[in-house]
Amino acid sequence: DTAVSQTPKYLVTQMGNDKSIKCEQNLGHDTMYWYKQDSKKFLKIMFSYNNKELIINETVPNRFSPKSPDKAHLNLHINSLELGDSAVYFCASSQQGSGELFFGEGSRLTVL
Amino acid sequence: KQEVTQIPAALSVPEGENLVLNCSFTDSAIYNLQWFRQDPGKGLTSLLLIQSSQREQTSGRLNASLDKSSGRSTLYIAASQPGDSATYLCAVPTSGTYKYIFGTGTRLKVLA
Repeated sequence: DTAVSQTPKYLVTQMGNDKSIKCEQNLGHDTMYWYKQDSKKFLKIMFSYNNKELIINETVPNRFSPKSPDKAHLNLHINSLELGDSAVYFCASSQQGSGELFFGEGSRLTVL
Repeated sequence: KQEVTQIPAALSVPEGENLVLNCSFTDSAIYNLQWFRQDPGKGLTSLLLIQSSQREQTSGRLNASLDKSSGRSTLYIAASQPGDSATYLCAVPTSGTYKYIFGTGTRLKVLA
């Protein structure tokens, strides 16, 4: 029974397309995150939601739009994909923002 | 602004050795510090979470210590095994926020 699950695991698409990644957690946590891991394996936070409210929005192009329909779900929609968007995107969750972080398996996005 | 550094960047040791991984952070006003491991192509697995009021945490062959005043944490791995080969990352939330900042990681290889 996966605690944080992301779909799809792999995405291969052409430049200019739009794509979405979905994330669900069954841990009862109130805070969810999107992280990006680049080709050098550096993990950088993109967004965070606490109880469906956006609380962190790093310097991310507005082509990226997160949506949290409820506190167990956080989706990421990316418009007009660019080559530089190729990365692994990780969803994570924690309780009240200061507890233990739990990660999903990641979604590897390749833009051709 | 919180910055997290991990030394060394890579480490190769023979099986059975005890080893120490280091994590330094610039802002000592942290709630906690968390150590993760990441296997190639996989998500992050939480190893240990140390609250700011604690000095250390232990789980099996792993022991993590925290010295907030000096901005340092160490992860001690006893009697290393080839299965310990992975990248180890530390993360701290920036003071007053839900924003976890990750170190650059230490890539560990344990040789049989």
